[in-house]
Amino acid sequence: GENVEQHPSTLSVQEGDSAVIKCTYSDSASNYFPWYKQELGKRPQLIIDIRSNVGEKKDQRIAVTLNKTAKHFSLHITETQPEDSAVYFCAARALTGNQFYFGTGTSLTVIP
Amino acid sequence: NAGVTQTPKFQVLKTGQSMTLQCAQDMNHNSMYWYRQDPGMGLRLIYYSASEGTTDKGEVPNGYNVSRLNKREFSLRLESAAPSQTSVYFCASSEVGKQYFGPGTRLTVT
Repeated sequence: GENVEQHPSTLSVQEGDSAVIKCTYSDSASNYFPWYKQELGKRPQLIIDIRSNVGEKKDQRIAVTLNKTAKHFSLHITETQPEDSAVYFCAARALTGNQFYFGTGTSLTVIP
Repeated sequence: NAGVTQTPKFQVLKTGQSMTLQCAQDMNHNSMYWYRQDPGMGLRLIYYSASEGTTDKGEVPNGYNVSRLNKREFSLRLESAAPSQTSVYFCASSEVGKQYFGPGTRLTVT
């Protein structure tokens, strides 16, 4: 089955700096890559996703890039704010399949 | 439109007791999932249901059973709870890739 690895496990940045979280996957059949944000005590919420026919997608201060050849994808958060502090999960799925495979999460702290 | 709902929010069980976690979605999604979340281990899939009438094991199915009662509802049952099942349980549903989570059930087994 698919194996998704996520790095780093913890990340601290100063407010206003950028944060980058990286994930790798193993199954070349995976073609959908969502990112979730989970605040303390809350449910994971989808913040951005990318399909394998696209190399980059942006939504305001967040962006995701995908390198299919190298089987890795990354989340970029620019101009970080304290409310960006949360745990972020990457995931992979084959659109023809049913299972989502999650990374182990990155705890991001934005220091005011 | 409530999205994905779960009951109960919190539960404390003694070892050996049984209980059922309820999940419902009003988005007309075919696929539904049960995950458990433990510190440092991310989200691990227990069972999923690709459509009404079908269920499949995920990564950690031992000690659990599920029922896809209809398109809206997907329940998770612990027949004989063990301390190792202390966790936060999330139900989710998805369609065309996008997955949406319920608010979670925090279960403690003593």
